[in-house]
Amino acid sequence: GESVGLHLPTLSVQEGDNSIINCAYSNSASDYFIWYKQESGKGPQFIIDIRSNMDKRQGQRVTVLLNKTVKHLSLQIAATQPGDSAVYFCAEMNYGGATNKLIFGTGTLLAVQP
Amino acid sequence: ETGVTQTPRHLVMGMTNKKSLKCEQHLGHNAMYWYKQSAKKPLELMFVYNFKEQTENNSVPSRFSPECPNSSHLFLHLHTLQPEDSALYLCASSQVYNEQFFGPGTRLTVL
Repeated sequence: GESVGLHLPTLSVQEGDNSIINCAYSNSASDYFIWYKQESGKGPQFIIDIRSNMDKRQGQRVTVLLNKTVKHLSLQIAATQPGDSAVYFCAEMNYGGATNKLIFGTGTLLAVQP
Repeated sequence: ETGVTQTPRHLVMGMTNKKSLKCEQHLGHNAMYWYKQSAKKPLELMFVYNFKEQTENNSVPSRFSPECPNSSHLFLHLHTLQPEDSALYLCASSQVYNEQFFGPGTRLTVL
């Protein structure tokens, strides 16, 4: 069946270091992927997305990498700051498919140590 | 703020009560969603409305009843809930097949 899972439930990094959060997906038909950040007491916040015709996409301090061969997605955060502490979710969709629902992973807690 | 508002932010209700959650989006989107978020579980999609029509009901018990009167408003009517229904209920909106924008959620506690 469809599933999106994260390799590491918790990631602890030092302030200023780079962070890498990983995600595996199993649905070969998925062709649109999104990373969300959820801070305590808030709803998930869109960070960056990528479509399957790309391998890499960069935003402000964030980069998403997509490896369709091994069905792997990663989020890289440069110069991690205390404000980056949150739970990060990956989500997948079959863009233009029968349904526009997103399938979310379980989330990774990023803890930034000062 | 994401442009998606939810009220109330917190709700405590008994199992025999009837209450409603409200969601409003100010983004001009044509799709709206309800999700349930429980501790240590992935986000669970409950309902999808595209152009005000329900297109997805993810095997949600009938004690949850959604309503979408127009493309900007979404309600979740609750009745005879169970304690295990206690969770954070999130509303989201999007253009169909695009990224979803979430509201802050309603923290529901069922006694």
